[in-house]
Amino acid sequence: QVYLVESGGGVVQPGMSLGLSCEASGFTFKNYALHWVRQIPGKGLDWLAVISYDGTFKYYARSIKGRFAISRDNSKNMVYLHMNSLRPEDTAIYYCAKSASGAGNAVAGMRSRLDPWGQGTLVTVSS
Amino acid sequence: QSALTQPASVSGSPGQSITISCTGASSDIENFNLVSWFQQYPGKAPTLLIYDDTKRPSGVSDRFSASTSDNSASLTISRLQTEDEADYYCCSFAGPTTFVRVFGGGTKLTVL
Repeated sequence: QVYLVESGGGVVQPGMSLGLSCEASGFTFKNYALHWVRQIPGKGLDWLAVISYDGTFKYYARSIKGRFAISRDNSKNMVYLHMNSLRPEDTAIYYCAKSASGAGNAVAGMRSRLDPWGQGTLVTVSS
Repeated sequence: QSALTQPASVSGSPGQSITISCTGASSDIENFNLVSWFQQYPGKAPTLLIYDDTKRPSGVSDRFSASTSDNSASLTISRLQTEDEADYYCCSFAGPTTFVRVFGGGTKLTVL
C-alpha cells in the first residue's frame, strides 16, 4: 500500500523560510512524479508544484513561483518543498500527492492523476 | 482566486441525483484536459473520484460519473447516500501544453 507522510509544518514568522518533507513508501519512488498541494483551513485546494520522476522537470503555480522550490531525493524516497519569504496567506495544510501512473516517463507522469495523497502538514505563518 | 468555477454548495435527498458543474473562468483554459474530481471529508485528505475526464479508479462506486465539454465539466452523483456528504473539487490543467494544474473552488454537498 502506498503511504505518503508529510512533516516539517509548524509556526513560522512572516518573511522566514521553512522546509517541508514528504516520505513515501509502498511503491518504486524513483519512477513517479510527485506534487504539492495546499489548502487554507476551511477553503479550497491550491495546486503548487510537480516534479518529474527523476527531478529533471519542475513546474510551479504562478502564485508561488520564485518563492517555493520542489525537490526530491530518490535515494531516500523523499520529496521536499522549500518555502521562502513566507506570508500569512501561506498558512495552510500542505499535502504531497503521487502521480498514479507514467512510471519512468516524465511527461506521462506529470500529467497523470494525483492519487493518493498524504494526510498533510499544517504551516502557520504568524508573528 | 480559483481558475475553475464551481457552485459553492449543492444539496439533494437520499436516492436523488445531483450534478456539480466546473467551468473554466480564464482564457488560459482553452479546453478542459484530463479533468479529475476529488472528494474530501472534513479533516481528511482529498481522494480521487474521477480522472481523465470520465474514468473511475477501482473501488469508486458507479454512482459517480462525469463528463466534459469545451470549457466545462460536470460530476453527477446518482442514488445519493448520506455518506456522499462531503466537499468536491474539480481539477484540470491550465492549458493543453502545460503541467500546471488548477482546482475549482470546491462544492459542499449536503444530503438532506
